[in-house]
Amino acid sequence: DAKTTQPPSMDCAEGRAANLPCNHSTISGNEYVYWYRQIHSQGPQYIIHGLKNNETNEMASLIITEDRKSSTLILPHATLRDTAVYYCIVRVGGGTTDSWGKFQFGAGTQVVVTP
Amino acid sequence: DAGVIQSPRHEVTEMGQEVTLRCKPISGHDYLFWYRQTMMRGLELLIYFNNNVPIDDSGMPEDRFSAKMPNASFSTLKIQPSEPRDSAVYFCASSRRNYGYTFGSGTRLTVV
Repeated sequence: DAKTTQPPSMDCAEGRAANLPCNHSTISGNEYVYWYRQIHSQGPQYIIHGLKNNETNEMASLIITEDRKSSTLILPHATLRDTAVYYCIVRVGGGTTDSWGKFQFGAGTQVVVTP
Repeated sequence: DAGVIQSPRHEVTEMGQEVTLRCKPISGHDYLFWYRQTMMRGLELLIYFNNNVPIDDSGMPEDRFSAKMPNASFSTLKIQPSEPRDSAVYFCASSRRNYGYTFGSGTRLTVV
């Protein structure tokens, strides 16, 4: 799976949009971009994933650049409960390869939402 | 849906003792994963199963660790004998292919 690069930390004001960048310049054509977050002492939580089109769900939006070398996770209205470590992961999707199941979490971005 | 259920939530044991961690995945999920998290090493994938069959156990640190999945609704991770350096939070997760993972609340293991 391609390697990802994220800033180690970022702050965001409550009520504002939080834009979390992720660089994945070596991504392959069949690799998806996944985002998870981990609130302190809890298990990681799936947020969203996409291949090349922008995606939106009730939690966040995912914007993937046209060349797919980077992406941005957008939390539209950050709340204090969004304080967490956010992980960006790229991994193979589809097909029959069993490598789908194997990916590692990196260090992620520690996001702190302040009042 | 009760989510992924792990037990126990906390485990304190003495060095040399056997430890068994348990996981009940979400019904209908055909992938199950065991992760370990420490401050030093972050989240590490230990092993994962597909349709109850172990697919990749290359992350298992040594022979003291073993994992089984006797059926689609239950998995165990066993450490025998346990050592202080095994102290960590152990997470179980389940998924369907090409979907996001659902993690359990974890088991915090302390080996003294």
